[in-house]
Amino acid sequence: NAGVMQNPRHLVRRRGQEARLRCSPMKGHSHVYWYRQLPEEGLKFMVYLQKENIIDESGMPKERFSAEFPKEGPSILRIQQVVRGDSAAYFCASSPSERVSGQPQHFGDGTRLSIL
Amino acid sequence: GENVEQHPSTLSVQEGDSAVIKCTYSDSASNYFPWYKQELGKGPQLIIDIRSNVGEKKDQRIAVTLNKTAKHFSLHITETQPEDSAVYFCAVQGNIQGAQKLVFGQGTRLTINP
Repeated sequence: NAGVMQNPRHLVRRRGQEARLRCSPMKGHSHVYWYRQLPEEGLKFMVYLQKENIIDESGMPKERFSAEFPKEGPSILRIQQVVRGDSAAYFCASSPSERVSGQPQHFGDGTRLSIL
Repeated sequence: GENVEQHPSTLSVQEGDSAVIKCTYSDSASNYFPWYKQELGKGPQLIIDIRSNVGEKKDQRIAVTLNKTAKHFSLHITETQPEDSAVYFCAVQGNIQGAQKLVFGQGTRLTINP
């Protein structure tokens, strides 16, 4: 999955701490998507961003979760006051901007978040 | 919203045989159908995709068929090899601008027995 870079690959936090997950899209891609995967389950959409804009956050929990994709720098998924249920793999995907729909989304290798 | 069902959840085949994984979806407006392969500790890797104006697409040992009327699509892997062992996910995307999220199936764990 070279191209979409996520860091850190593994993140351990204690309950109540904050988690920050970073994603750099593939070169030339301006659309970023975040998905969450629980063990033995499929990926669930969280949020879709373009530079400086949140386009669709219908999958994002209303509290404690936020995402941004600034003009400069990576996209950030931020989880405040983490709880055990936040333990999961978080994947970022990116796609090019030329097409409105049917754009292949390319995934990074994810951040495995563990809450103690 | 869109609902995607994937079957089977596990599949074991002998090396050299074929494997078929099927998905059904609920929203007839969906128009993009990718398949991903996920290996342990890795992110999903796009292996093939199909758009709604096409009924079948093939890439070497991998093919995908789409039946828009019945709202189902299938992944076919022929001449399976041990390196095909992985979890496979189907996904569906709508055609509404701004609503480009992928809705994934539950996954199929494919094991190729040597």
